[in-house]
Amino acid sequence: GQQLNQSPQSMFIQEGEDVSMNCTSSSIFNTWLWYKQDPGEGPVLLIALYKAGELTSNGRLTAQFGITRKDSFLNISASIPSDVGIYFCAGRERGTYNTDKLIFGTGTRLQVFP
Amino acid sequence: DTEVTQTPKHLVMGMTNKKSLKCEQHMGHRAMYWYKQKAKKPPELMFVYSYEKLSINESVPSRFSPECPNSSLLNLHLHALQPEDSALYLCASSQTVGRGGPTGELFFGEGSRLTVL
Repeated sequence: GQQLNQSPQSMFIQEGEDVSMNCTSSSIFNTWLWYKQDPGEGPVLLIALYKAGELTSNGRLTAQFGITRKDSFLNISASIPSDVGIYFCAGRERGTYNTDKLIFGTGTRLQVFP
Repeated sequence: DTEVTQTPKHLVMGMTNKKSLKCEQHMGHRAMYWYKQKAKKPPELMFVYSYEKLSINESVPSRFSPECPNSSLLNLHLHALQPEDSALYLCASSQTVGRGGPTGELFFGEGSRLTVL
């Protein structure tokens, strides 16, 4: 099946620093999404991207849908302690009618130190 | 607060038990999903229901049996599970577009943590 490679695997940063993570695929996706998951919780949708080249912001978060449709990045500016968690990219894999699937990346674990 | 509600939050069962996980959403979504997530791994798709019909089964063993009684409810029936089935089971829902295909924006519940002894 599809593999989405996310990097870096983990990040340890100081509060106030900016963060950048990305996701790459060997195949094309028509939708990219970014989720954040806290321990013991379900993933929470942060940003959804629908067009190649699209740049979308949600507060301190900015994400882009790569021109080739095979990659996406997420930036977090001025990190704060509550940004701690695991960030997953996800790509929507086009199937036949009614069979589109959401495939998750391997995740980036973010730790923020005060 | 998530609008997808999962019960129970925690479940411990033996390998001979029969139990069920339940999921409910009231967002009017017509696509619902079960994902399985092991520790430090991404969620893995198990089943997709679209308009109460099973549209995707990712070759899941038959000891997992999904059921969608109506557009708001999704169950996962568990029978004769193995210890390696211990995981966080996530339910999600999404809107559908066009001829019924789901959008990519999945909304997840908080999950049911399952331990099989």
